[in-house]
Amino acid sequence: DTAVSQTPKYLVTQMGNDKSIKCEQNLGHDTMYWYKQDSKKFLKIMFSYNNKELIINETVPNRFSPKSPDKAHLNLHINSLELGDSAVYFCASSPLKNTEAFFGQGTRLTVV
Amino acid sequence: GNSVTQMEGPVTLSEEAFLTINCTYTATGYPSLFWYVQYPGEGLQLLLKATKADDKGSNKGFEATYRKETTSFHLEKGSVQVSDSAVYFCALHGSSNTGKLIFGQGTTLQVKP
Repeated sequence: DTAVSQTPKYLVTQMGNDKSIKCEQNLGHDTMYWYKQDSKKFLKIMFSYNNKELIINETVPNRFSPKSPDKAHLNLHINSLELGDSAVYFCASSPLKNTEAFFGQGTRLTVV
Repeated sequence: GNSVTQMEGPVTLSEEAFLTINCTYTATGYPSLFWYVQYPGEGLQLLLKATKADDKGSNKGFEATYRKETTSFHLEKGSVQVSDSAVYFCALHGSSNTGKLIFGQGTTLQVKP
């Protein structure tokens, strides 16, 4: 009965590959997010969707493409992975846009 | 633009010591303020929140008061435990009404027995 679940938890891949991270929330929330946490633990928003509509796209390279098939799912696809993409990626959701967010466990992506 | 600044870590305390982690913010309007905690290897969990000036958020012995006059939201706990060892993040909602959270840089707390 996990509220926000991401898969996979760990992802190790070679430069140049394409990979996806999946996120699902069972909280009935309308808004979902992707955040990136770098090696110094700094967190920054990447994308936000509200009812399947993109509302935030924070100067992320267009190799990153979010997709929201329905309001319970927000996936992140990354093309042509680079070493600098190594980070922990967190999915989150919130019931309304300016209420607290609930985070998944994170996906640790390592590009070698 | 909006921003959050936290005290540099790591903070190392003995068990039962008093904890303060400072957080100040810059924002237009009246942001909501949050403290999140990240235990090792885990995601972020909401610890407490405050949505307007002078509100006090509290949870698990932690407290923080929304001080608009000093633009601060310092986290305190009277007696820390080893299990409180984690990274603590102060955050606010930006003024754009998009739900975007702006985080401070995080403060690592290590509590020794």
